[in-house]
Amino acid sequence: DQQVKQNSPSLSVQEGRISILNCDYTNSMFDYFLWYKKYPAEGPTFLISISSIKDKNEDGRFTVFLNKSAKHLSLHIVPSQPGDSAVYFCAASFSGYALNFGKGTSLLVTP
Amino acid sequence: DVKVTQSSRYLVKRTGEKVFLECVQDMDHENMFWYRQDPGLGLRLIYFSYDVKMKEKGDIPEGYSVSREKKERFSLILESASTNQTSMYLCASSRYRGLAYGYTFGSGTRLTVV
Repeated sequence: DQQVKQNSPSLSVQEGRISILNCDYTNSMFDYFLWYKKYPAEGPTFLISISSIKDKNEDGRFTVFLNKSAKHLSLHIVPSQPGDSAVYFCAASFSGYALNFGKGTSLLVTP
Repeated sequence: DVKVTQSSRYLVKRTGEKVFLECVQDMDHENMFWYRQDPGLGLRLIYFSYDVKMKEKGDIPEGYSVSREKKERFSLILESASTNQTSMYLCASSRYRGLAYGYTFGSGTRLTVV
């Protein structure tokens, strides 16, 4: 059973606006969460991460929010740029064990 | 920069063939992983290794085996390829068992089994 869920397969946002990608998880033991970005025909690249002891982590235009009580995290991209168009994977782990990935959300940023 | 190199970008094999997918990393990482990516299913873990000669099953190990004889190299083996193993295969490595640095992925091997 999928322990990390990305329920929106796709999202379209206008350039300059905020993109919000959502992720839910079922395993309360997860203690580390990451977002990866993937372009076609390339491997995923690490974007941003957050430990379960925090509720927010920011890196430039990218911010990840963690709501442990709701078992929910989100990635905010502000402002969105056409180059952000990619598939975004949410991933989670506990105690350094191998990452569990969601199914991905395809983001399209339109000019 | 850490580099994870997968030997082939595209591969076409026949049903029943034994297939080797090779992955090499150049930064002395301890951990290496094999995932497959399929539309609508995301990335699913096949096998991983925390050290030389060590291997652990992931979520979908059936039909696969692995080999890690040297720290930098992690091979995925399809013992008898089947059409349902047509997929994008992604190798990854990480330095420590903890994930402070995340994974570094290779560019992937698109395998087609006919």
